[in-house]
Amino acid sequence: GENVEQHPSTLSVQEGDSAVIKCTYSDSASNYFPWYKQELGKRPQLIIDIRSNVGEKKDQRIAVTLNKTAKHFSLHITETQPEDSAVYFCAIFSGTYKYIFGTGTRLKVLA
Amino acid sequence: DAGITQSPRYKITETGRQVTLMCHQTWSHSYMFWYRQDLGHGLRLIYYSAAADITDKGEVPDGYVVSRSKTENFPLTLESATRSQTSVYFCASSADRGNQPQHFGDGTRLSIL
Repeated sequence: GENVEQHPSTLSVQEGDSAVIKCTYSDSASNYFPWYKQELGKRPQLIIDIRSNVGEKKDQRIAVTLNKTAKHFSLHITETQPEDSAVYFCAIFSGTYKYIFGTGTRLKVLA
Repeated sequence: DAGITQSPRYKITETGRQVTLMCHQTWSHSYMFWYRQDLGHGLRLIYYSAAADITDKGEVPDGYVVSRSKTENFPLTLESATRSQTSVYFCASSADRGNQPQHFGDGTRLSIL
């Protein structure tokens, strides 16, 4: 069936270092891949997204890469700051017209 | 995003009771969604709606009922609440089901005793 695996489940980095979170999916018909950031007790908020006809997208310190052949996509955060600490979720829009979310990565940026 | 609001923010009820969670959006988005969020499971889709009077099941629909008589409202009802339905519930909307981002409400934290 459709699923999204997200790794790692927790990630600790020193302030200023980079963080990478990876998601793999099984549905080759998926064509939209958003990333959400959720701070404690808050709503998930979109931080970046990518569509299947694009391999990479950047927005300041955040980038997403997509490898459709291998069916994985990754979130890259450079020059991490304490305010980047949160839970990050990947998602796919599957071929059966549903959004499926990964189980989340808790990122801690250590000052 | 102030354009989508959920109520109540917190709710405590007892097993067997009926409870309705409200969701209202002001963008006139066609699509609306209900998710539940539990530790270790991420966000799981309960029901979604493509337009007024059109709804469909998601991954975990059992025990839940939805309706959408107006585009802007998408209430979720637990007809006979069970402890396993204790969770945080998020409503979301999007302009299109496909390659458009979802905008989430602030969530409702529901505890069933």
